Amino acid sequence: DSGVTQTPKHLITATGQRVTLRCSPRSGDLSVYWYQQSLDQGLQFLIQYYNGEERAKGNILERFSAQQFPDLHSELNLSSLELGDSALYFCASSGAKLKPYNEQFFGPGTRLTVL
Amino acid sequence: AQSVTQLGSHVSVSEGALVLLRCNYSSSVPPYLFWYVQYPNQGLQLLLKYTTGATLVKGINGFEAEFKKSETSFHLTKPSAHMSDAAEYFCAVSAPGTDKLIFGTGTRLQVFP
Repeated sequence: DSGVTQTPKHLITATGQRVTLRCSPRSGDLSVYWYQQSLDQGLQFLIQYYNGEERAKGNILERFSAQQFPDLHSELNLSSLELGDSALYFCASSGAKLKPYNEQFFGPGTRLTVL
Repeated sequence: AQSVTQLGSHVSVSEGALVLLRCNYSSSVPPYLFWYVQYPNQGLQLLLKYTTGATLVKGINGFEAEFKKSETSFHLTKPSAHMSDAAEYFCAVSAPGTDKLIFGTGTRLQVFP
């Protein structure tokens, strides 16, 4: 158990819908990262937040958005869902301070199925 | 820009045999390199990492990897495979100070009795 929790575990929805994925980082971690794992694209970095502020952006679609709240949990919002958005979405968290290297601890993921 | 190439999407070995999973990277700056393991229906777990210093790094579960700058490689090895090593393995690279992990496409390791 990494200490990172994600809810829900599974999500099944229809095209055009909007969903919210939730992540609680390890106690004391200030950074949260979101990754998407799909058969087509593999594991891709989406976005990173540090202490409530966006720190780095990857291949995140405009239909997707994220935020990190004052209690440090994060939410990833996916809207106008398409079949190709079906994937495993991972959240990771890391250290209390920004250093040259911060080990990321991954949650168990949320499996999104768009029908 | 950084990238990672994992040669072989599937590797099969017998229990007790050597495990060798290949990873080559491309990076314009000195890289940080990682190997992660993903067991079925689970998240990713860090096996080992290279940041600076000794180029041979030892990780959990008997795995090790060697950073070879001249070959731009970071291959993962284990002298003797165990059935419990069956999983998917990902090599990843990041640049110092960025935290963003760039993953390879993964290698699925099967271990036969």
